[in-house]
Amino acid sequence: DQQVKQNSPSLSVQEGRISILNCDYTNSMFDYFLWYKKYPAEGPTFLISISSIKDKNEDGRFTVFLNKSAKHLSLHIVPSQPGDSAVYFCAASGLHRRSGYALNFGKGTSLLVTP
Amino acid sequence: DVKVTQSSRYLVKRTGEKVFLECVQDMDHENMFWYRQDPGLGLRLIYFSYDVKMKEKGDIPEGYSVSREKKERFSLILESASTNQTSMYLCASSQIAGISYNEQFFGPGTRLTVL
Repeated sequence: DQQVKQNSPSLSVQEGRISILNCDYTNSMFDYFLWYKKYPAEGPTFLISISSIKDKNEDGRFTVFLNKSAKHLSLHIVPSQPGDSAVYFCAASGLHRRSGYALNFGKGTSLLVTP
Repeated sequence: DVKVTQSSRYLVKRTGEKVFLECVQDMDHENMFWYRQDPGLGLRLIYFSYDVKMKEKGDIPEGYSVSREKKERFSLILESASTNQTSMYLCASSQIAGISYNEQFFGPGTRLTVL
């Protein structure tokens, strides 16, 4: 049962424009959300996170928005650059797992930024 | 910087072989994880460990076992490899979880092919 959903498998954006990647979750016990970026043949790298007590977190070109009532978060990249082309995974954690330590990942969205 | 290393980047094995995937982290993290990544399925948790000799099943533990004899090392074992275990295997580690700090650091991955 997929508790973190990324419904867009792919997204194509022109360089300099905004990229918006979306993520929905079903478990209201999730209280911390993360975005990871993954290049082919490499492990995922942490990008940005947000706690459920906030609705926005910003780090340079990357901003994550959280709408708890809608169980929805989004990652905005402005401006998009060709080097941002990668697969982006949304992940969530909370106390629903026995240990509370594990992350639930979405299936990923492949972003292509074209020159 | 946190470093998570995996013993092999690419591995080819035959059906029925016993396969060991090794992961080592150098940041004294309590938690370690094994995921597999498959196209269209995202990252799925196989097993995790929150302490030496402690382990918990993830979402897809069937056909796998794990070993954590030392804090820095977490091994994934395929007792009898099968073709449906052909995948990218990713190891991760994290500090002991507080509510607001659950970032996992990933290794580069092992691309396993079972023939």
